[in-house]
Amino acid sequence: DGGITQSPKYLFRKEGQNVTLSCEQNLNHDAMYWYRQDPGQGLRLIYYSQIVNDFQKGDIAEGYSVSREKKESFPLTVTSAQKNPTAFYLCASSALGDEQFFGPGTRLTVL
Amino acid sequence: KNQVEQSPQSLIILEGKNCTLQCNYTVSPFSNLRWYKQDTGRGPVSLTIMTFSENTKSNGRYTATLDADTKQSSLHITASQLSDSASYICVVRDRLKLIFGSGTRLLVRP
Repeated sequence: DGGITQSPKYLFRKEGQNVTLSCEQNLNHDAMYWYRQDPGQGLRLIYYSQIVNDFQKGDIAEGYSVSREKKESFPLTVTSAQKNPTAFYLCASSALGDEQFFGPGTRLTVL
Repeated sequence: KNQVEQSPQSLIILEGKNCTLQCNYTVSPFSNLRWYKQDTGRGPVSLTIMTFSENTKSNGRYTATLDADTKQSSLHITASQLSDSASYICVVRDRLKLIFGSGTRLLVRP
């Protein structure tokens, strides 16, 4: 998992609640990414950030929000607008244009 | 549409046997192709990276091949071990982003 940590490992959410997933890296990487992984599907990009205080929507950004106030941190908020949030969420970081290193993931379950 | 297709979806082999996983892609422009190993409940870890000019690359018991003309790649695992049980994901990079295959789930039985 390199120098990327995600917390919590498991997260349970009631319908209508917002929850925030943490991602921290100590690799001095400029770029950070959030992916969603569902059974039988490839990873899908939610948001990415190439520099502090800037981020871009990925392929499935609806119902999610992010911030990048520090280089080391890229938290993801799953809002109540996300209709099917149960999934495995992976954070990654990279030097620009280089290999992405993944965190251990957070499994989110909606009760 | 840029796509990465992997086969088979799942595979069961006996410990010590060899196996080959397939990846076909339609990504353009092509920058590189990586094979990742993902243990259950963990993040993916890169096994190999291949660029357009490379045909074969090995990493221990893992050997990846690339045919850029037919847009196919394979990952060969030699003398499988129980610890090889995992999902193997083929990822192709175009100029801007990564396109992920859905993975092959490998189970190695004693």
